[in-house]
Amino acid sequence: AQSVTQLDSQVPVFEEAPVELRCNYSSSVSVYLFWYVQYPNQGLQLLLKYLSGSTLVKGINGFEAEFNKSQTSFHLRKPSVHISDTAEYFCAVSDVLKRNFNKFYFGSGTKLNVKP
Amino acid sequence: SQTIHQWPATLVQPVGSPLSLECTVEGTSNPNLYWYRQAAGRGLQLLFYSVGIGQISSEVPQNLSASRPQDRQFILSSKKLLLSDSGFYLCAWRGKTGTPNYGYTFGSGTRLTVV
Repeated sequence: AQSVTQLDSQVPVFEEAPVELRCNYSSSVSVYLFWYVQYPNQGLQLLLKYLSGSTLVKGINGFEAEFNKSQTSFHLRKPSVHISDTAEYFCAVSDVLKRNFNKFYFGSGTKLNVKP
Repeated sequence: SQTIHQWPATLVQPVGSPLSLECTVEGTSNPNLYWYRQAAGRGLQLLFYSVGIGQISSEVPQNLSASRPQDRQFILSSKKLLLSDSGFYLCAWRGKTGTPNYGYTFGSGTRLTVV
């Protein structure tokens, strides 16, 4: 089974600074990769996803992520954060193998706290 | 377009009382449906998933159960709630594999507090 590691449980950053949220997964099999954002007391909203093609994926709200197969990573980046980006971010992985299609594996989440 | 509805938004229930949370999906047929729970300070825990009517897979043995009486309806239930059942419950459906829609879409969640 897959495991997903988000190394940083909390990331404080000042407004307009760049940020990187790290995500590593365990299996080297073909995978689909996702980043979700959760604002307080709300469901999760898809930020971006990698299914195939270019390893640099652009999402909503100015976020992007790069799939690195050799390092089994899918780090999320934003060049300049806003106060409104304060939220919790979850990385998720789904195996391409058919028998595992039904399961997504989520990381434990990273709380991004943007300070003025 | 596809939408997912989940209710109620908040719920306060006494220990030992029953539970019923409902989730419905619109704009798609035969969706894969999921129930997740977030406990305070913890990540997402998959509770149940369903690939069709009457088909339920349980990921975590506990006093919760799930049912899928209709194609686009997924219900989470309990006969007797425990304090440890408190948390934020999320329903999700998954887009079709091999399509650009592949991925989870989540409902807005239900905050359950067992007192």
